[in-house]
Amino acid sequence: DAGVIQSPRHEVTEMGQEVTLRCKPISGHDYLFWYRQTMMRGLELLIYFNNNVPIDDSGMPEDRFSAKMPNASFSTLKIQPSEPRDSAVYFCASSLRGGYTFGSGTRLTVV
Amino acid sequence: AQKVTQAQTEISVVEKEDVTLDCVYETRDTTYYLFWYKQPPSGELVFLIRRNSFDEQNEISGRYSWNFQKSTSSFNFTITASQVVDSAVYFCALSSYNNNDMRFGAGTRLTVKP
Repeated sequence: DAGVIQSPRHEVTEMGQEVTLRCKPISGHDYLFWYRQTMMRGLELLIYFNNNVPIDDSGMPEDRFSAKMPNASFSTLKIQPSEPRDSAVYFCASSLRGGYTFGSGTRLTVV
Repeated sequence: AQKVTQAQTEISVVEKEDVTLDCVYETRDTTYYLFWYKQPPSGELVFLIRRNSFDEQNEISGRYSWNFQKSTSSFNFTITASQVVDSAVYFCALSSYNNNDMRFGAGTRLTVKP
């Protein structure tokens, strides 16, 4: 198995632009998570899905952030419009029966 | 609400010293999972261990060992005979058994000097 695949690995964008981060979970995993890592706030859980259904999005910072999981093999995290304070590393993880696997992360820089 | 506290922000040791990273957690759940992850300078999150709340047996894996004390809500991690390659940020995490929502502590940055 190739593990959890995130794309792109790095993204640099200008303030105000839309950014879409992508994640392909491990096949068969029934949970998918989006985390954000910053120096100030550490690793924060943004949202997670169970069987493609969003369960808890209380960690999503504001309405500029949205996440979807249209099928079991794909999820997106969208920021529109992006702001410099959104600069962070965004991790996707998938899980089955409490065993988690993280992707390599997307480093987002908003200038 | 679930909370994980890693009080040690940074630790610096000399190679071959033993070092213990502390983790204290809070949860209302009776069943839960505890985890340790390592984040080396390259940035990926490396899984080290998962322990469920049923099992308080301590675990040893090579130079790594974990001490789970339910009575004090602690899940401490010890590295014996530390090596330079152990330098990383170490995260303790907690997840509800039913909801699978894993929450991380703030992390402890370990520096092992030659």
